[in-house]
Amino acid sequence: QKEVEQDPGPLSVPEGAIVSLNCTYSNSAFQYFMWYRQYSRKGPELLMYTYSSGNKEDGRFTAQVDKSSKYISLFIRDSQPSDSATYLCAMTRSNDYKLSFGAGTTVTVRA
Amino acid sequence: NAGVTQTPKFRVLKTGQSMTLLCAQDMNHEYMYWYRQDPGMGLRLIHYSVGEGTTAKGEVPDGYNVSRLKKQNFLLGLESAAPSQTSVYFCASRSTSGGLQFFGPGTRLTVL
Repeated sequence: QKEVEQDPGPLSVPEGAIVSLNCTYSNSAFQYFMWYRQYSRKGPELLMYTYSSGNKEDGRFTAQVDKSSKYISLFIRDSQPSDSATYLCAMTRSNDYKLSFGAGTTVTVRA
Repeated sequence: NAGVTQTPKFRVLKTGQSMTLLCAQDMNHEYMYWYRQDPGMGLRLIHYSVGEGTTAKGEVPDGYNVSRLKKQNFLLGLESAAPSQTSVYFCASRSTSGGLQFFGPGTRLTVL
């Protein structure tokens, strides 16, 4: 079983819809949780990050971490065609050099 | 700041040829990483470095070598390329605190 599980999708939504993405993980020691956005033929770009549990909001994006359930989520409100990309979750422990990645979810927002 | 840059952007090799991929970062980060990304396999760590002069193996190190002679540069070498090494290669860097990695634009390598 992988340390981080992420449904690869693909996910297709109409413009203006709420996009809901999530990852589950098995290592209870993870403390840093990240979401990366990767456009086609580009490198992953850090979108949001959260330390430990709780919510973080940045414009149309909200990241949630539920450590008791080992579950993290990313919500995109009022989705735009420019949000079409692959979204990867990633996480790590304190003082760990390496990240554990999900497989990525491909999202298409239809105009 | 350019962030993380990678050279070259594209390359086609024949089986058995060698090449070096260069990664450079201008953020004064201690840690640097090389990943490969393949369809359905996600990002897999090849090698990483926690400081100038140090390197360590990641998840899929076979067939690759690395060097970190300068803090800002991390080189990935393929001594004898194989078709199985056809992939997109990403370099990343991070500071000593926080865990956040920042990625370069990638190198698309095809081995014929």
